[in-house]
Amino acid sequence: EDQVTQSPEALRLQEGESSSLNCSYTVSGLRGLFWYRQDPGKGPEFLFTLYSAGEEKEKERLKATLTKKESFLHITAPKPEDSATYLCAVQAGAAGNKLTFGGGTRVLVKP
Amino acid sequence: GAGVSQSPSNKVTEKGKDVELRCDPISGHTALYWYRQSLGQGLEFLIYFQGNSAPDKSGLPSDRFSAERTGGSVSTLTIQRTQQEDSAVYLCASSRGGGLNTGELFFGEGSRLTVL
Repeated sequence: EDQVTQSPEALRLQEGESSSLNCSYTVSGLRGLFWYRQDPGKGPEFLFTLYSAGEEKEKERLKATLTKKESFLHITAPKPEDSATYLCAVQAGAAGNKLTFGGGTRVLVKP
Repeated sequence: GAGVSQSPSNKVTEKGKDVELRCDPISGHTALYWYRQSLGQGLEFLIYFQGNSAPDKSGLPSDRFSAERTGGSVSTLTIQRTQQEDSAVYLCASSRGGGLNTGELFFGEGSRLTVL
């Protein structure tokens, strides 16, 4: 069974204080790893797709990296508007196109 | 609008009643997903439709849950004889369904179900 574990569950940062979120996964035949952002009362919003170990993607203050066992989402010099829940998901070969999500990391950036 | 539309946005029902939740995906998207999100939790997969293929129902928690997709577009999730543990936000998502972008899902804002 595919498993995705995110840590920490919650993260409080001061504005400008860089940090990283972790996503560990156990899957049979990874086809893709995805990061989403979810604001309160909204549906998740797609951020990145990573396909193979060593791959990196960047968008503004966010950078996602991938190894064979985990992915990191680095937040550089965060701003209060980066406050959200960040969700990691995997797509595995045996599971078709469905995504298996982790529990998320709630990030709060204080000014 | 161009996004995924879900209705109702909020539904309060009594235990034992049936409910229907509707999802209108982005035009042209062939794949449609239903997920459930309980308070403070991640997303739990329920069911996946892809074109005319048989749906992947592997996430439906019991036979009280069913879903259909008519004409390859609008989908309805039905929960019969609702229980309090069914209280959650039900999220619908659609995607292009092919190529390398199958994991880029576009989510609606969800239907919040409360069973009293």
